[in-house]
Amino acid sequence: AQSVTQLDSHVSVSEGTPVLLRCNYSSSYSPSLFWYVQHPNKGLQLLLKYTSAATLVKGINGFEAEFKKSETSFHLTKPSAHMSDAAEYFCVVSLSGGSYIPTFGRGTSLIVHP
Amino acid sequence: DAGVTQSPTHLIKTRGQQVTLRCSPKSGHDTVSWYQQALGQGPQFIFQYYEEEERQRGNFPDRFSGHQFPNYSSELNVNALLLGDSALYLCASSLFYGTEFIGGELFFGEGSRLTVL
Repeated sequence: AQSVTQLDSHVSVSEGTPVLLRCNYSSSYSPSLFWYVQHPNKGLQLLLKYTSAATLVKGINGFEAEFKKSETSFHLTKPSAHMSDAAEYFCVVSLSGGSYIPTFGRGTSLIVHP
Repeated sequence: DAGVTQSPTHLIKTRGQQVTLRCSPKSGHDTVSWYQQALGQGPQFIFQYYEEEERQRGNFPDRFSGHQFPNYSSELNVNALLLGDSALYLCASSLFYGTEFIGGELFFGEGSRLTVL
């Protein structure tokens, strides 16, 4: 079985300050992990993905995430928030190979203040 | 290059009715998945189609059914609608069945928002 927990339902930052969105997962197998972003009235867009290569993953728009197996975490970070980053962010876990069903977290709403 | 397109964008139904939602995958993609996103929740996997067959299914009742056509487009059908079926229904496409969550990428449409009264 697999699950994913996004530890914050809302995160509020000021423009230009760092962003941290937290995600913990559980998986019986070596997982693949993803972050997706959803802007209002838009479909989801892939930010970045971890698939057992480098543990520090770089994505689009300056986002990064670090896979920490010992902590079962895959937190998303960005050094400096921009107003356009305001959106809903989803952490996703899936098995690597074989039969799978992707599991999405409940989402974290990122609010960016001017 | 057109991305994933879904229709209709919004629709309202009453309890007990049936609904059909449609999805055209991104050009070149052969695999289509459907997700239900209730308000304030993350998307939940309904099922996935490849080569016109259902390949994976999430924890959804048989009232939810689908189809994939030879041109890779897909339909989601929901029978005997319940109030709890009100949600945003997302279609996602990918290339090469089985790779989208081991290194590939899902491309999502903007969804069909279903309201059941």
